[in-house]
Amino acid sequence: QQQVKQSPQSLIVQKGGISIINCAYENTAFDYFPWYQQFPGKGPALLIAIRPDVSEKKEGRFTISFNKSAKQFSLHIMDSQPGDSATYFCAASGSSNYQLIWGAGTKLIIKP
Amino acid sequence: EPEVTQTPSHQVTQMGQEVILRCVPISNHLYFYWYRQILGQKVEFLVSFYNNEISEKSEIFDDQFSVERPDGSNFTLKIRSTKLEDSAMYFCASSPESFSNQPQHFGDGTRLSIL
Repeated sequence: QQQVKQSPQSLIVQKGGISIINCAYENTAFDYFPWYQQFPGKGPALLIAIRPDVSEKKEGRFTISFNKSAKQFSLHIMDSQPGDSATYFCAASGSSNYQLIWGAGTKLIIKP
Repeated sequence: EPEVTQTPSHQVTQMGQEVILRCVPISNHLYFYWYRQILGQKVEFLVSFYNNEISEKSEIFDDQFSVERPDGSNFTLKIRSTKLEDSAMYFCASSPESFSNQPQHFGDGTRLSIL
């Protein structure tokens, strides 16, 4: 019940296209859902996060869509650029404990 | 922008030896964490630390592990007797408050290699 399932494992998108990464969770006590971006040799960097009281959050080219009833959330990267090529992790945490539970990661490659 | 700093970036240690990984969290943050990532696997929570004591720990964080905040700036993870399976990237993180929706900021990690 503590798992966060992330798909796809890898994704190749043409420059200018939309990249979509999906995550699903089971624990209804989760109330915070961040996305992290990680470049090789670097630590995860917080990209965008959402709470379950909203269905969508947008920051620049990055949008989180949240479906509370389906227990799913997704990251959309609009107008994907080669500089977006990185590994993306979804995560979740809840009010009963503050540890982040991580998805397995998606390696995104944007082709020029 | 303030950041979490980890040293060393790479640590090579013989099996059975003790190792200390060091972290300097963001200065006004109150909650500190250690995570690890074995090569090719997902990031795993180890321990969280608040007000000079452990708040939560995972099953991975057994008696071989300990954490300490020896002064006002450093936060350390000690592995007493390292095993081959301890080889991983270890990430330190900090957050401003102890609520679940507070962003956790990560350092660039220490790659620990056990020989």
